[in-house]
Amino acid sequence: DAMVIQNPRYQVTQFGKPVTLSCSQTLNHNVMYWYQQKSSQAPKLLFHYYDKDFNNEADTPDNFQSRRPNTSFCFLDIRSPGLGDAAMYLCATSKGQGEHEQFFGPGTRLTVL
Amino acid sequence: AQKVTQAQTEISVVEKEDVTLDCVYETRDTTYYLFWYKQPPSGELVFLIRRNSFDEQNEISGRYSWNFQKSTSSFNFTITASQVVDSAVYFCALGPDSWGKFQFGAGTQVVVTP
Repeated sequence: DAMVIQNPRYQVTQFGKPVTLSCSQTLNHNVMYWYQQKSSQAPKLLFHYYDKDFNNEADTPDNFQSRRPNTSFCFLDIRSPGLGDAAMYLCATSKGQGEHEQFFGPGTRLTVL
Repeated sequence: AQKVTQAQTEISVVEKEDVTLDCVYETRDTTYYLFWYKQPPSGELVFLIRRNSFDEQNEISGRYSWNFQKSTSSFNFTITASQVVDSAVYFCALGPDSWGKFQFGAGTQVVVTP
């Protein structure tokens, strides 16, 4: 089945220790998104790619970086995680071009010690 | 700027009752898309429906139905004969804007008890 896969599902890191979250898709969608979701809140967009075009949200901290080496994969790098970065990180994809519904992965739960 | 308001924080119902989730949106765009997503306790957001701004037809899918009214800028969602498996947080969303961003509402927690 075509899907959005996130690894790992759970990530524990220490304060200040870099971490990379990965997302892959078999849907061949043009657009990929990274969201941060904290408890009882709506997802908050961090970045998105339309093909290779990178779009950074104005309020996304510099501590967060992203890479999309090819259509299928996208990575979220957190250079120096703080306690406030503990959250669920959701990857999503969409076709774009009039079909904008997003398909989400299961998320990575990040814990910062 | 786009905005989505889900005024209901939590709705609790007993199984088999109907439940309606309200969504009110604001946008200056003439072409836009509205969505509903379900987030069960497992955490994965699941796409339920997309509605285009130029298509005001209501839609029914099994026990789910959606009422889109441009005149009141609302896109409400009704679950008929609710079941325990409907317990989840439901998000209404609007977009994309010119930057490709979607605006999510705050979500409505639906609790269905047996």
